[in-house]
Amino acid sequence: AQKITQTQPGMFVQEKEAVTLDCTYDTSDQSYGLFWYKQPSSGEMIFLIYQGSYDEQNATEGRYSLNFQKARKSTNLVISASQLGDSAMYFCAMREGTAGTASKLTFGTGTRLQVTL
Amino acid sequence: NAGVMQNPRHLVRRRGQEARLRCSPMKGHSHVYWYRQLPEEGLKFMVYLQKENIIDESGMPKERFSAEFPKEGPSILRIQQVVRGDSAAYFCASSPLQGAREQYFGPGTRLTVT
Repeated sequence: AQKITQTQPGMFVQEKEAVTLDCTYDTSDQSYGLFWYKQPSSGEMIFLIYQGSYDEQNATEGRYSLNFQKARKSTNLVISASQLGDSAMYFCAMREGTAGTASKLTFGTGTRLQVTL
Repeated sequence: NAGVMQNPRHLVRRRGQEARLRCSPMKGHSHVYWYRQLPEEGLKFMVYLQKENIIDESGMPKERFSAEFPKEGPSILRIQQVVRGDSAAYFCASSPLQGAREQYFGPGTRLTVT
């Protein structure tokens, strides 16, 4: 079974609008971390935002925020006020286990976001 | 503070040759992770190393691939007798301790096997 599922291979959004990128995950661990990375066409991986499984509040970082629904095992990324520079691939990832013990990240297949004028 | 450095950024090898990919972690980071990204796919974990130790190699192919992180110098991912299917982007990430919240990624090495 997929551990990280991103069901939207591609998304379009108009400049200045908000967009939500979906991510669901599967784990039996009680403690885990969820990450979003951006990969522009230049290829590097840029860390955007993190949510811990025990965090009670949804994470926010500038224009990025997470809609974390633990019971549904989903962690959707919301980008507000989209900019042309937001056009990129977006990857959801999970680290299972307690921080300080676990290590590797498991990635989804990504969503390609295109911001239009 | 320099970020994670990888070299070369682009590497072309003929089938059967060896590929050596290098990763210098961020200053103060002693944990290194290697991931592979096939075209149009997400990143797949390969191996996790600390200085002089392989901690988790569950994602490494059984043959032709090896990794090391010596006491001095960069981490090396070595692919022997490359095949066309090895063509991918190889990313290195580092963190200051095990299970740190964030892994800092390098720019990647794009390997093309002809």
